[in-house]
Amino acid sequence: NAGVTQTPKFQVLKTGQSMTLQCAQDMNHEYMSWYRQDPGMGLRLIHYSVGAGITDQGEVPNGYNVSRSTTEDFPLRLLSAAPSQTSVYFCASRRGSYGYTFGSGTRLTVV
Amino acid sequence: KNEVEQSPQNLTAQEGEFITINCSYSVGISALHWLQQHPGGGIVSLFMLSSGKKKHGRLIATINIQEKHSSLHITASHPRDSAVYICAVQQGQTGNQFYFGTGTSLTVIP
Repeated sequence: NAGVTQTPKFQVLKTGQSMTLQCAQDMNHEYMSWYRQDPGMGLRLIHYSVGAGITDQGEVPNGYNVSRSTTEDFPLRLLSAAPSQTSVYFCASRRGSYGYTFGSGTRLTVV
Repeated sequence: KNEVEQSPQNLTAQEGEFITINCSYSVGISALHWLQQHPGGGIVSLFMLSSGKKKHGRLIATINIQEKHSSLHITASHPRDSAVYICAVQQGQTGNQFYFGTGTSLTVIP
């Protein structure tokens, strides 16, 4: 099992550009989520999904879209990047009452 | 608003020392998580607990639901334990309300 795979690891965008952060897991986990980590603020939940076809907003959803067409994939889309979206992004998954498995993170810079 | 507070923010210990990191929270929860973030940035889930105590190797996590408090203990600390330890609380079974502490940075000196 590869666990949770995030791509890309690093990305630089210009303000206004769009992009998709990819997240895939091969553990058949029903729950997947996206977080952003900013200095001094800790991790914050952006969007989450409890299964294929079901998504919902977390604490900081504005400027981001998600979809969950399959159990394995949970991409995060930035529609029009802004400097405030400069952050480190983590995808995570879990199954039932077991703990989370995190991806290795994507460091995004918006200039 | 700080639903989750961790203490201390920074901790330096000598190799072999017993370490305690504390987490207090202000909301009702369905579970509490302890995470470890390595200097390279990767995050590992250490524990998920909703009551009592769990042990894994040299790590022990406890939770007191009535007092809304959890502790993470590291016995016989080692330099490889140097990392940021993050407490997170989950409201509800689906996890739509999920709050993180800002982390405790631990450095273990040989």
